[in-house]
Amino acid sequence: DGGITQSPKYLFRKEGQNVTLSCEQNLNHDAMYWYRQDPGQGLRLIYYSQIVNDFQKGDIAEGYSVSREKKESFPLTVTSAQKNPTAFYLCASSLQGASTGELFFGEGSRLTVL
Amino acid sequence: GEDVEQSLFLSVREGDSSVINCTYTDSSSTYLYWYKQEPGAGLQLLTYIFSNMDMKQDQRLTVLLNKKDKHLSLRIADTQTGDSAIYFCAEGGGATNKLIFGTGTLLAVQP
Repeated sequence: DGGITQSPKYLFRKEGQNVTLSCEQNLNHDAMYWYRQDPGQGLRLIYYSQIVNDFQKGDIAEGYSVSREKKESFPLTVTSAQKNPTAFYLCASSLQGASTGELFFGEGSRLTVL
Repeated sequence: GEDVEQSLFLSVREGDSSVINCTYTDSSSTYLYWYKQEPGAGLQLLTYIFSNMDMKQDQRLTVLLNKKDKHLSLRIADTQTGDSAIYFCAEGGGATNKLIFGTGTLLAVQP
């Protein structure tokens, strides 16, 4: 079945460590997105990519990095520079630019910093 | 700047209608969306409406759009316990080429 797979579902990290969240899609979508979800704040865009080897910062990119070496993969690294990394992270993709197309979401990754 | 606002919580009894409201600021938005998020999961698109429409109905769901007031609502008829979830409105097709999500409304359905 086609879809978006995020891994791991749960992740614990010590302060000062970098961690990479995986996002893979087999929908042949061009665009991919990373959102962060905090209680009462909705979804905030971290990074997005409209095409392979290209990506743009979203509203809260500081302390995060991404790569888009393959169309189906868009990993997110949460670096030690991110001051408050504990959150639920959602990856999404769309066939067209998101202004007209539906976003398809993964099941999310919950990161807890100890 | 762009902003999408929703109330945080709504509680209804099973069988009643639920109305979830949303206000947005980008008048150039082309599409407005409603997404549903069940506990611990990602978001799924429920429905969307083009900005040149004022109403869309899909089974138990009715979306109303007041473009003049930049107000969007989602009505769920005969609400069931399985409708308990967080509902997000989102706008797109505006000045930026990405969706802007609201804060989400937690719908609690009491049996």
